[in-house]
Amino acid sequence: SQQGEEDPQALSIQEGENATMNCSYKTSINNLQWYRQNSGRGLVHLILIRSNEREKHSGRLRVTLDTSKKSSSLLITASRAADTASYFCATDNPMDSSYKLIFGSGTRLLVRP
Amino acid sequence: DAGVIQSPRHEVTEMGQEVTLRCKPISGHNSLFWYRQTMMRGLELLIYFNNNVPIDDSGMPEDRFSAKMPNASFSTLKIQPSEPRDSAVYFCASSFRLADNEQFFGPGTRLTVL
Repeated sequence: SQQGEEDPQALSIQEGENATMNCSYKTSINNLQWYRQNSGRGLVHLILIRSNEREKHSGRLRVTLDTSKKSSSLLITASRAADTASYFCATDNPMDSSYKLIFGSGTRLLVRP
Repeated sequence: DAGVIQSPRHEVTEMGQEVTLRCKPISGHNSLFWYRQTMMRGLELLIYFNNNVPIDDSGMPEDRFSAKMPNASFSTLKIQPSEPRDSAVYFCASSFRLADNEQFFGPGTRLTVL
C-alpha cells in the first residue's frame, strides 16, 4: 500500500476559503514533501518539511508535521481558482538509501470562482 | 534551464508494437525516476537511476518493460510488446541526490495502446 495517503480524496470550496488536506504515512521519514499537479501536467514541488520541523510556511501555504501521529497537513489560505489541482504528499524512507519518494493517492481540489 | 524534457508528449500505438519513451533530465541532476500514472493505480515508481546506474527496478511491472540511461543527459523507457493495459501517463523526474530530494517532473508522455 502507499506510504502516504491523502485525505480527503476530493475537496470543493469557494474562492477565498481555506483548503486543508491531510496526509498519513506508515514508516519513519527524513522529510515529507507536497506536490501539486494541474490537469494534464507533471507534478510541481511545493514545499518540503523535515522530520525535525513542526510547521513551515511558503506564501499562502502552511504545512504541519506530526511525527508522533505520522501525519501532515497542507493548508492553502485564501484559495484562488488557479489553486484547482491535485495535491500529493510524498515521503522518503530513512531505511532506504536510494532517496526515492513514495507518493500518496492525492487530493483533488476544486476552487469555485 | 528548460526543465525535464520528455518526448513524445502523446503516443498512440497498436497492441504488440514497441514503444520508446525518452527523457532528458535537468543538467547537473544525478538521479532519474520513471513513474506511471493511472486513475486506478495512481502514481507508481517504475525504476530509479543514480549516476546512470539502475538502483531499484522493483516497480517495473513485467519483462516487457526496460529502461536505460546511457549517459547523464538521456534515458529511455521501452515497452515491447505493448498491451492496452499499458495505457497511462508516463513521467520522468530528476533530482540532485545529495540535496533535499525535491524531484522535478517532466510534462509526461500520454500513451494509448489500442
